[in-house]
Amino acid sequence: DAGVTQSPTHLIKTRGQQVTLRCSPKSGHDTVSWYQQALGQGPQFIFQYYEEEERQRGNFPDRFSGHQFPNYSSELNVNALWLGDSALYLCASSRGYNEQFFGPGTRLTVL
Amino acid sequence: QKEVEQNSGPLSVPEGAIASLNCTYSDRGSQSFFWYRQYSGKSPELIMSIYSNGDKEDGRFTAQLNKASQYVSLLIRDSQPSDSATYLCAVNGRGANGGYQKVTFGIGTKLQVIP
Repeated sequence: DAGVTQSPTHLIKTRGQQVTLRCSPKSGHDTVSWYQQALGQGPQFIFQYYEEEERQRGNFPDRFSGHQFPNYSSELNVNALWLGDSALYLCASSRGYNEQFFGPGTRLTVL
Repeated sequence: QKEVEQNSGPLSVPEGAIASLNCTYSDRGSQSFFWYRQYSGKSPELIMSIYSNGDKEDGRFTAQLNKASQYVSLLIRDSQPSDSATYLCAVNGRGANGGYQKVTFGIGTKLQVIP
């Protein structure tokens, strides 16, 4: 049984560019949450998707947007990148409100 | 006041000792509580979840919850050097639409087990 997968593993972008990160949930899970984790900090909640709708959103600007597909996979898009967006981006999947399981993350570096 | 508070550490314990990790939270309506372990450069790994007051044991790990005091802890018995990691406390909290779908993490406590 495959766990949560994310792609790409690492990414380097320059300021002002746009990026798309991808996540496939664990089999049987229908909910995907995205987090940003800066060095030395806990994961910060970006948003959560369920039934292809954004169900909850954290305190992130509109530059951060997402999507969930019918197969429950999800994308995180970040526009107009700036240096402060450099972080580990984590995807977690769950069945409804149950325990969340994390993927390996995508390390984004903005130069 | 932060939604979920943890001491960032480092907490140093000798091998074989009990490590005690603590966490407090601000939202009295929170219903689900989780402990994750995160090794350096890796993603968080769920090790315990607890939903009702009292203790929950799983192998060398015991989670303790006291909703009246808004306090959750994790005890690691017979600590091993391989337990050296950052331990994240996570609490489900009220999101913008009032529902309890948002999980909030603490900053994490770095545990060092000294051989």
